[in-house]
Amino acid sequence: EVQLLESGGGLVQPGGSLRLSCGASGFTFSSSAMSWVRQAPGKGLEWLSSITESGGGTHYPDSVKGRFTISRDNSKNTLYLQMNSLRPEDTAVYYCAKDGDWLPCGNWGQGTLVTVSS
Amino acid sequence: QTVVTQEPSLTVSPGGTVTLTCASSTGAVTSGYSPSWFQQKPGQAPRSLIYSTSNKHSWTPARFSGSLLGGKAALTLSGVQPEDEAEYYCLLYFGDTQVWVFGGGTKLTVL
Repeated sequence: EVQLLESGGGLVQPGGSLRLSCGASGFTFSSSAMSWVRQAPGKGLEWLSSITESGGGTHYPDSVKGRFTISRDNSKNTLYLQMNSLRPEDTAVYYCAKDGDWLPCGNWGQGTLVTVSS
Repeated sequence: QTVVTQEPSLTVSPGGTVTLTCASSTGAVTSGYSPSWFQQKPGQAPRSLIYSTSNKHSWTPARFSGSLLGGKAALTLSGVQPEDEAEYYCLLYFGDTQVWVFGGGTKLTVL
């Protein structure tokens, strides 16, 4: 059974940084592309980033490009999202998801809440 | 900026049929956009239902189907059940910029 467990969320001040982690189990992590998606309170879903199986390819929307960095450690079965220069509008639940071949976000974690506030 | 548009809300009676659509600001949605559909119930993480336009997961109920309809991606629920009341999101791939974009979601009420 695919299991994804996000961690690292919490309260951070505007302008601060935070690194989220996503531990994966139940599948061959090194063979799966992965994504991050967020959801602001009461709002819809926003795709944030994807990374290829090896980590050699990454993609971002313009809204977070240059501030957020996705990475992975296949030896630890862990996905990361480094978030810098955080703004109040980055307040959201952050989900990691397992991708497949033209199968985006096929499996989801339960999410971790990030609150950006002074 | 690319915008993906869904109906904000729809209401359907139990046992009825409803079609949700997903449009792109760039033009007609084709299979190249690899449309996906997700269901989210309050307090839960989203769940993937349909990928690559019409492919189902092992957990996707048979009453859910995906297609292309009139230049849009479509999700049809046939024989709607009360437990289908949820928010539904579509996701499209834009190959020129290599990004995925979610639609704003459709709140489906079963009444």
